[in-house]
Amino acid sequence: DAGITQSPRHKVTETGTPVTLRCHQTENHRYMYWYRQDPGHGLRLIHYSYGVKDTDKGEVSDGYSVSRSKTEDFLLTLESATSSQTSVYFCAISSGQGGETQYFGPGTRLLVL
Amino acid sequence: GDSVTQMEGPVTLSEEAFLTINCTYTATGYPSLFWYVQYPGEGLQLLLKATKADDKGSNKGFEATYRKETTSFHLEKGSVQVSDSAVYFCALEAGNNRKLIWGLGTSLAVNP
Repeated sequence: DAGITQSPRHKVTETGTPVTLRCHQTENHRYMYWYRQDPGHGLRLIHYSYGVKDTDKGEVSDGYSVSRSKTEDFLLTLESATSSQTSVYFCAISSGQGGETQYFGPGTRLLVL
Repeated sequence: GDSVTQMEGPVTLSEEAFLTINCTYTATGYPSLFWYVQYPGEGLQLLLKATKADDKGSNKGFEATYRKETTSFHLEKGSVQVSDSAVYFCALEAGNNRKLIWGLGTSLAVNP
């Protein structure tokens, strides 16, 4: 199994509070991704990174920011959480070669009250 | 733009039944195609993939053939088991941006 961990695994927070989710990899993969998974919407890309300090927006980036200061860590921040951000968040990694597999973490279940 | 369409679920089958989950795509160029599986409470994991036309991906008894003429990548299994109960996602990677375009997922329940 690819070495990907996410923390926390579960979080309950209140509307308006900042939240940071962490993704950590031990595979030295270049690309890292943050997705959210919601019923009826499948997986939607929030942000991704193609190297240290190199990030780009996905299809649902509003209200989210990311940072990658080290190869192994990719942080997702909800600056001011809203109830619409209640979701399951998945981190994924890939080597960045064409046609290569994305490996997923176990997910973080976030509930915003 | 690029897109993936897969059959809606849920799909309910009896053990040992034949499974087909349809997946069609729209993409420019020659995308790579993937099937991922998500078991309850877990993250997604790659089931199989194909990177060029006419390639067949296979794993755990599942197969899918990259059909460029019909822009399809249908997932099949000859005899499903209860342990195959999961959500199956079709995805494509087109271009050089290393992003996957995802279908909405198809939930499969296999009854003993």
